Amino acid sequence: ETGVTQSPTHLIKTRGQQVTLRCSSQSGHNTVSWYQQALGQGPQFIFQYYREEENGRGNFPPRFSGLQFPNYSSELNVNALELDDSALYLCASSSPTGVFGYTFGSGTRLTVV
Amino acid sequence: DQQVKQNSPSLSVQEGRISILNCDYTNSMFDYFLWYKKYPAEGPTFLISISSIKDKNEDGRFTVFLNKSAKHLSLHIVPSQPGDSAVYFCAASLSNFGNEKLTFGTGTRLTIIP
Repeated sequence: ETGVTQSPTHLIKTRGQQVTLRCSSQSGHNTVSWYQQALGQGPQFIFQYYREEENGRGNFPPRFSGLQFPNYSSELNVNALELDDSALYLCASSSPTGVFGYTFGSGTRLTVV
Repeated sequence: DQQVKQNSPSLSVQEGRISILNCDYTNSMFDYFLWYKKYPAEGPTFLISISSIKDKNEDGRFTVFLNKSAKHLSLHIVPSQPGDSAVYFCAASLSNFGNEKLTFGTGTRLTIIP
């Protein structure tokens, strides 16, 4: 299977709830990164996983956590949702061949009410 | 601290003319620069990149110019086509390794007028 797929495409949650977003990486890509894109902003790096271990983290609190599975699929979990967590969440997979090889999914639009 | 800046939120260009999108950065350690194009309801797609050791990279209608001393890069699209209407993001990384994080600008919405 080619490309990066994310699910769900849209999600509405209530403040204080927890959410899990899923990503299926492009075949052959062993690195997955998650980005948050707030309205009117560029994507911001949340964290990255390489071979199932966290491999770098941006300026996000610990209530943002993730997992990468042996088949290179990945999850982003957010606990204690806040209104400011409303954003488009993008998953990107890449291989060691180069950063230009990033492939982004279409994203999950999360709305916290 | 916005390390990558795109100061023009929007740009309108006549079809067939040249589109020039600009990007400035503050971190002199950035080694690799990329441009992404994003349509609504889709993820960003890679357009063109340039290494810090070069000052120009061309791919068809798209050319990226890098001025390291000014910490400035620009994307030229010529001739502009209606399908080029999208949001364009400039991004930078500390290296070209596939596990490097990207730092994005805020984007420029390009509208091509038929």
